[in-house]
Amino acid sequence: EAQVTQNPRYLITVTGKKLTVTCSQNMNHEYMSWYRQDPGLGLRQIYYSMNVEVTDKGDVPEGYKVSRKEKRNFPLILESPSPNQTSLYFCASSLNRGQGQPQHFGDGTRLSIL
Amino acid sequence: TQLLEQSPQFLSIQEGENLTVYCNSSSVFSSLQWYRQEPGEGPVLLVTVVTGGEVKKLKRLTFQFGDARKDSSLHITAAQPGDTGLYLCAGAPRFNKFYFGSGTKLNVKP
Repeated sequence: EAQVTQNPRYLITVTGKKLTVTCSQNMNHEYMSWYRQDPGLGLRQIYYSMNVEVTDKGDVPEGYKVSRKEKRNFPLILESPSPNQTSLYFCASSLNRGQGQPQHFGDGTRLSIL
Repeated sequence: TQLLEQSPQFLSIQEGENLTVYCNSSSVFSSLQWYRQEPGEGPVLLVTVVTGGEVKKLKRLTFQFGDARKDSSLHITAAQPGDTGLYLCAGAPRFNKFYFGSGTKLNVKP
């Protein structure tokens, strides 16, 4: 089954404790993204990757890192999490950045930073 | 300020009513997409509109892309409780960054 898998689904942690949210897709997609969703703000793109070893900043990259060492995986790293990073996070992938390509989303990771 | 402005933010209607959701921007988009999101899940693509003035129909849902490719609308005819959800417009006006509207939360009461 074609899917985007995120882990963990829920995480409560404390300020400053490094964490990684994993994302994996089994569709051989080139383009992958991370978004955060906050009430009233919709989804905002954090980072995206056009292909292996090619990553770039989205609209709200501060405080986050990503890597794309393999095509299927695109982990999101919070080196020193802070309470303002409490949010609902989504990973998404699409075949490429071609016009109108649909993005396939994971089920989300709800992150709480105390 | 959002690149894509959606209105209304909330909509609560009775089953059988019609409704329209708007997605507006000052930027030109090569294409715009509409997604629907249900609680506890990621957004799911409904449609992509590509050509200015284009109209696409998906059963009771009608999507339109503005002539200038800066705006889009979603019209639902005879809404049903199963239409309840968060509707999001999205697009990439420049480079490879992707933008979403703030969403319209629709509640259809039986």
